[in-house]
Amino acid sequence: GAVVSQHPSWVICKSGTSVKIECRSLDFQATTMFWYRQFPKQSLMLMATSNEGSKATYEQGVEKDKFLINHASLTLSTLTVTSAHPEDSSFYICSARGGGGLQETQYFGPGTRLLVL
Amino acid sequence: GESVGLHLPTLSVQEGDNSIINCAYSNSASDYFIWYKQESGKGPQFIIDIRSNMDKRQGQRVTVLLNKTVKHLSLQIAATQPGDSAVYFCAENLWGNKLTFGTGTQLKVEL
Repeated sequence: GAVVSQHPSWVICKSGTSVKIECRSLDFQATTMFWYRQFPKQSLMLMATSNEGSKATYEQGVEKDKFLINHASLTLSTLTVTSAHPEDSSFYICSARGGGGLQETQYFGPGTRLLVL
Repeated sequence: GESVGLHLPTLSVQEGDNSIINCAYSNSASDYFIWYKQESGKGPQFIIDIRSNMDKRQGQRVTVLLNKTVKHLSLQIAATQPGDSAVYFCAENLWGNKLTFGTGTQLKVEL
């Protein structure tokens, strides 16, 4: 149980294009999903928190117009990197947390590696 | 922002030995803690968790110890195997809010 998938697992795109990453909870309903960014040999940096049916809450320093997050259903959240530039190249990881209490564990997806040329 | 040249703390152990990975957390009010294992190129994998009303919890080959007095968390892995090689992160949770991750420790298992 508690499986989270991401698609695509890796993507290469040209500078200026937009890239959409999907995060799905496969066997549970995720009331809250989180998007993280991770640089090599560093810890996970939280970008934003999204609750189903409401606007995402972004961390300080994360541009909401650049990283668009949609949490349209209890099993799907998407992150769109708009007008991507080489500095956006990174490993993007989502996590999902079910309902039923404040101390539900976050389960992570396998990550999406983005390379912007 | 991005830092260049960062090196994770590394723990090297011999196969079959026990490993102890330590973590200092930041908020004395945190009430839930999780250890994650992250292999290269993959997302973090849940290992074990512990709530603040406990000081020890055991799983299969793993034990987590919590010392709230000094805000310290440790992960003990018994009979370490090559497949345990990975980066291990502790994470703290405050009142069901977002997780705050530690810097991570690279565990290397030597044959």
